[in-house]
Amino acid sequence: QKEVEQNSGPLSVPEGAIASLNCTYSDRGSQSFFWYRQYSGKSPELIMFIYSNGDKEDGRFTAQLNKASQYVSLLIRDSQPSDSATYLCAVPAGGGADGLTFGKGTHLIIQP
Amino acid sequence: EPEVTQTPSHQVTQMGQEVILRCVPISNHLYFYWYRQILGQKVEFLVSFYNNEISEKSEIFDDQFSVERPDGSNFTLKIRSTKLEDSAMYFCASSERAHEQYFGPGTRLTVT
Repeated sequence: QKEVEQNSGPLSVPEGAIASLNCTYSDRGSQSFFWYRQYSGKSPELIMFIYSNGDKEDGRFTAQLNKASQYVSLLIRDSQPSDSATYLCAVPAGGGADGLTFGKGTHLIIQP
Repeated sequence: EPEVTQTPSHQVTQMGQEVILRCVPISNHLYFYWYRQILGQKVEFLVSFYNNEISEKSEIFDDQFSVERPDGSNFTLKIRSTKLEDSAMYFCASSERAHEQYFGPGTRLTVT
C-alpha cells in the first residue's frame, strides 16, 4: 500500500518569508503528485500538481519533485497570513481512475 | 468558475439508519470520487467511478456502501446501515481526466 509522509508541524513562518513544505512517498513507481490546501473545517483545494522531475512554478507556489529521492516539496514565496492552512500531499493509489492517497498534512502558520 | 456541489452540508442520523449523500460534479468531468475524513485524521479514499461503473474501491468501501449516478448530473453515496464510526466529513470529487481532482465542500455526517 502506498504511503505518503509529511511532518505534521505546526510550521511557523514569518510573513513575507518562504515556506517550505516537504513530502516523501513510498512507491518508486508513482508518476504524479498533488498539493492540496485545506483550511480548518473546509475541503481540500488543489493548488499544484507535478509530473516531471524538477521544478514547476505557479505564481507564488513552486513544486519540486525528485523521483530518485522519492521526495516532493512545495515552496510558498512571500508568505501571507491567508496561506495559514494545512497542506496535503497526495499521490494516486495506482493508474487510471484510482483515488488519491493523502498524507496527514503539514499545518502551516504564517506569523504577521 | 464551475465547482462541485454537495448536499446536505450536515446530516444527523441514528445508528442503523440509511443515508444518501448527494453530489453534483463539474459538468464536463468524467471521473467521480468519494472520500471521507474523520475529525483530526487524514483524507481517505473510498471509491472512484468512471463510465457508469466503479473503477476502484478501498478496503473502507464495504458492502454497506454503494454509489450511483442516477441521472446525468448527480452522483450519490449510500450508507445502508450507519455505524457510529461512520461519523466523518464526506467529500465528493471530480476530474476531467484522472487524478487532477476537485473537491466539493463536503457533507458532515453525524451518527448518534
